[in-house]
Amino acid sequence: DTGVSQDPRHKITKRGQNVTFRCDPISEHNRLYWYRQTLGQGPEFLTYFQNEAQLEKSRLLSDRFSAERPKGSFSTLEIQRTEQGDSAMYLCAIGGYNSPLHFGNGTRLTVT
Amino acid sequence: GENVEQHPSTLSVQEGDSAVIKCTYSDSASNYFPWYKQELGKRPQLIIDIRSNVGEKKDQRIAVTLNKTAKHFSLHITETQPEDSAVYFCAATTPGGQLTFGSGTQLTVLP
Repeated sequence: DTGVSQDPRHKITKRGQNVTFRCDPISEHNRLYWYRQTLGQGPEFLTYFQNEAQLEKSRLLSDRFSAERPKGSFSTLEIQRTEQGDSAMYLCAIGGYNSPLHFGNGTRLTVT
Repeated sequence: GENVEQHPSTLSVQEGDSAVIKCTYSDSASNYFPWYKQELGKRPQLIIDIRSNVGEKKDQRIAVTLNKTAKHFSLHITETQPEDSAVYFCAATTPGGQLTFGSGTQLTVLP
């Protein structure tokens, strides 16, 4: 049990399409993070929420990316007009300030 | 922002030998340093962490050391076993709270 459920596990889409991923923490956590991991690299920070407030966004997060956490529980990450460079594993994580981050199993996105 | 460098990128050791992975960080304000293990196709999993007020921490065969002055920290795995084979990532947390990861080390334990 990872403590974080992500859906879908895999997504294949054509370039130019929009995709949305969902992250559901199993228990209440104030902080929720989104990371992106490409093959052979470490996870890269995208954005994080403190409850429903999106407090920080990476420069990696172009205007095609948007994330929400409407009630401070689950979160969604949407990518509009997908590009082949968006192909990656998208990881959701929960944790506290300066305490361990626990990752979900991720959503693997393939843009063809 | 924080920059974390990790070496080596690949490491092969004989079963039973020790493995050492080293990381450096750039932001002297960083104060929390976790290590993650990631098996192929799976999520990164925390294996050990250390805070900046501690110089060393050990958990069975795994230990981490931290040198704040030099801004580097290391993972030590003793008596390696085949199931230790995986990619290991170091990370550092700035006071802002998000983790910056190293580029990973592929550890292979040879039987």
